[in-house]
Amino acid sequence: RKEVEQDPGPFNVPEGATVAFNCTYSNSASQSFFWYRQDCRKEPKLLMSVYSSGNEDGRFTAQLNRASQYISLLIRDSKLSDSATYLCVVGHNFNKFYFGSGTKLNVKP
Amino acid sequence: NAGVTQTPKFRVLKTGQSMTLLCAQDMNHEYMYWYRQDPGMGLRLIHYSVGEGTTAKGEVPDGYNVSRLKKQNFLLGLESAAPSQTSVYFCASSYSGTSGSADTQYFGPGTRLTVL
Repeated sequence: RKEVEQDPGPFNVPEGATVAFNCTYSNSASQSFFWYRQDCRKEPKLLMSVYSSGNEDGRFTAQLNRASQYISLLIRDSKLSDSATYLCVVGHNFNKFYFGSGTKLNVKP
Repeated sequence: NAGVTQTPKFRVLKTGQSMTLLCAQDMNHEYMYWYRQDPGMGLRLIHYSVGEGTTAKGEVPDGYNVSRLKKQNFLLGLESAAPSQTSVYFCASSYSGTSGSADTQYFGPGTRLTVL
């Protein structure tokens, strides 16, 4: 079983739509959680950390459910520039991170 | 402040050749990592380092060696390249976190390696 699983997509949505991505992780001892964004042929970049209480950054909202070992990312009012692959990342201790294979988002005009 | 840099950006090797990938960071980070990314798969950890002079194996270490002689540099070596090592290699670094939980990782631009 993979450490982190994501729906690969692609999610094809119109501009202005709201879209949600989910991610599940297998290790209940995981301690840190992130969403990264990766543009085609580029390096991953941090989108946001995910906290137990949930957190919001502009149009982006992330939530963590430790009991269900589930992380989500909600994007409101999608922009063309949001088109990318979104990576769910889970950290164990202070030195090991496990990446999901990513969910591809295409925002269409 | 360049962040994390990687050299080279591209490389083509023949089976059996060796090479070294260099990662450098100027953020004074303690932790450094090497990942590989293959189509349809997430990044997989090859080796990592929690400080100068220390290294440890990650998820897919076979066929690779690493060294961290200086805090700012982390080298990844392929002693005898194989076609299965064709991939995109990313280096990352991070601060050591509080409570044993690592902070955000910052990635280099990647090295695209093809082994024929």
